[in-house]
Amino acid sequence: SQTIHQWPATLVQPVGSPLSLECTVEGTSNPNLYWYRQAAGRGLQLLFYSVGIGQISSEVPQNLSASRPQDRQFILSSKKLLLSDSGFYLCAWEGATEAFFGQGTRLTVV
Amino acid sequence: TQLLEQSPQFLSIQEGENLTVYCNSSSVFSSLQWYRQEPGEGPVLLVTVVTGGEVKKLKRLTFQFGDARKDSSLHITAAQPGDTGLYLCAGALGNKLVFGAGTILRVKS
Repeated sequence: SQTIHQWPATLVQPVGSPLSLECTVEGTSNPNLYWYRQAAGRGLQLLFYSVGIGQISSEVPQNLSASRPQDRQFILSSKKLLLSDSGFYLCAWEGATEAFFGQGTRLTVV
Repeated sequence: TQLLEQSPQFLSIQEGENLTVYCNSSSVFSSLQWYRQEPGEGPVLLVTVVTGGEVKKLKRLTFQFGDARKDSSLHITAAQPGDTGLYLCAGALGNKLVFGAGTILRVKS
């Protein structure tokens, strides 16, 4: 069966520090992968999506970047975090009829 | 600008009442999905609708896809406190999976 792992679950980082969130998928090959950010109690804002290794599409201009070094690995990064980068980040992969989400990372930039 | 507009944004009702959540767009979707999300967790799929005019029922939940495949609704009959959560609609546009802003539902006992 397919599973998706996202870590860490929570993260507190100072302003100006780097960021690396990792997401890996098991049980499927060549998945479409997504990074979303979610404000408290609100919908998901699509940040990046990837249809294959090295193929990244950015949806909104921001302080973040994404990479896909392997077929089932998707990484969200920043060189210098801003206060406004705080939020709940979700990784997802798209199956035939639904999206499967990781457990999310609660990022607090202080 | 949201590709998928959800309404209402927030709904607080008493146990036993009925409610409807709407998801509207000017875009045509090949399929539309509804998710429910608990705080601190990822969304979990409730249903996928594919055919225009399609109606699906999941116990007390009824989902409908508009004839033109631009809108959808979620109707809950006799809501229970366990229905409390964030309800999200989502649609696929090419390789992008986009979500509505969500409806926060609170069912009071």
